[in-house]
Amino acid sequence: GAGVSQSPRYKVTKRGQDVALRCDPISGHVSLYWYRQALGQGPEFLTYFNYEAQQDKSGLPNDRFSAERPEGSISTLTIQRTEQRDSAMYRCASSLDSTGPDPLTDTQYFGPGTRLTVL
Amino acid sequence: QQQVKQSPQSLIVQKGGISIINCAYENTAFDYFPWYQQFPGKGPALLIAIRPDVSEKKEGRFTISFNKSAKQFSLHIMDSQPGDSATYFCAASISGSGYKLSFGAGTTVTVRA
Repeated sequence: GAGVSQSPRYKVTKRGQDVALRCDPISGHVSLYWYRQALGQGPEFLTYFNYEAQQDKSGLPNDRFSAERPEGSISTLTIQRTEQRDSAMYRCASSLDSTGPDPLTDTQYFGPGTRLTVL
Repeated sequence: QQQVKQSPQSLIVQKGGISIINCAYENTAFDYFPWYQQFPGKGPALLIAIRPDVSEKKEGRFTISFNKSAKQFSLHIMDSQPGDSATYFCAASISGSGYKLSFGAGTTVTVRA
């Protein structure tokens, strides 16, 4: 079946503009995560959802970043008033259900990412 | 602050050789330790994972060794093949936290034919 998809794959924007990044998880996956990956670094947690409920947003850098998943499927990460330091790869991952007792049975599947460049 | 420290940053190994990547953590609440493999242009993909109640887990040519007292774990790639050339990330998470992952910085492995 289809994996996690993200759009756009590349986004170039000017400083001060708002951007919206979309994630389409694997069908039926309850949990959805957003990570940010700087060049040469591992992904860094931003936020995650179970169904439509945002469970943890502790990784969002500041209040310019927000995320939603209104119907428990597709999610949008929005960055307002973008700054050059926001430039990075933004990755989405989904898993079957993060509320289960055993993480060994709950693999996170990552999408190809959106490369954001803020000029 | 990086919760999981990974080394080396890169390594080169001959075909058939052994690749070893090491990770260390401080948070003793971590109880799930996966390794991800990432090819250029792709997202990370789960390779193998371990819980701290075992000291070693093997899947094919890939083995995780876990040392709870030292708060260290490592990935061994036996009989390395050119197709194993990729970036490898160790990670850790805490049960009950939604399994949000804290990643190491990554190791780029190059296998020379």
